[in-house]
Amino acid sequence: QVQLVQSGAEVKKPGASVKVSCKASGYTFTNSNMHWVRQAPGQGLEWMGIIDPSGDITNYAQKFQGRVTMSRDTSTSTVHMELSSLRAEDTAVYYCAREGSSWNSGHWGQGTLVTVSS
Amino acid sequence: QSALTQPRSVSGSPGQSVTISCTGTSSDIGGYNYVSWYQQHPGKAPKLMFYDVSKRPSGVPDRFSGSKSGNTASLTISGLQAEDEADYYCCSYAGSSTVIFGGGTKLTVL
Repeated sequence: QVQLVQSGAEVKKPGASVKVSCKASGYTFTNSNMHWVRQAPGQGLEWMGIIDPSGDITNYAQKFQGRVTMSRDTSTSTVHMELSSLRAEDTAVYYCAREGSSWNSGHWGQGTLVTVSS
Repeated sequence: QSALTQPRSVSGSPGQSVTISCTGTSSDIGGYNYVSWYQQHPGKAPKLMFYDVSKRPSGVPDRFSGSKSGNTASLTISGLQAEDEADYYCCSYAGSSTVIFGGGTKLTVL
């Protein structure tokens, strides 16, 4: 079955960067786009961006452009999301989500809590 | 780009029906049939309930239905059950390879 297993919780200081990983299994890794979505404590879901199967094409939400980089390693079936210049407002649970047929995600990682605190 | 507009909360008694609305614009909901709905229980990852407006993934009870009219999508739950109590999020393709979520609706089963 499809599984997305994310890296563990992180605590970072303001201004630092964080890289969250998402290891996929149970399907052909190069067949699906991957989305990243975050959720601040007590808040709603926020779409961050998408990376295509080859890793050559990415598209980021305007809010994160310049601060986020998504990449993928097909040899390990892993997708990465790096967010830089962290601030307190970036404290959130970050999810990877495999795209289904069309701009929807039927499989999600377990989430990675990133805490930004001085 | 603002989030899609959902009511903050809705409630209903067991057995009743509730509808959650999700209002966008002609640039997102109104422009594409790529509306999806997610259910999220506390501390859990979201679960896909509908995609392409009204297509139900396997395993989702047919008590749930999805629809769209113009710039507004709706999720209807009939025969409410206690386990339906959760947060619900709508989501739409918004063009230029971007996606937008609604602010979320907390469903309380009384």
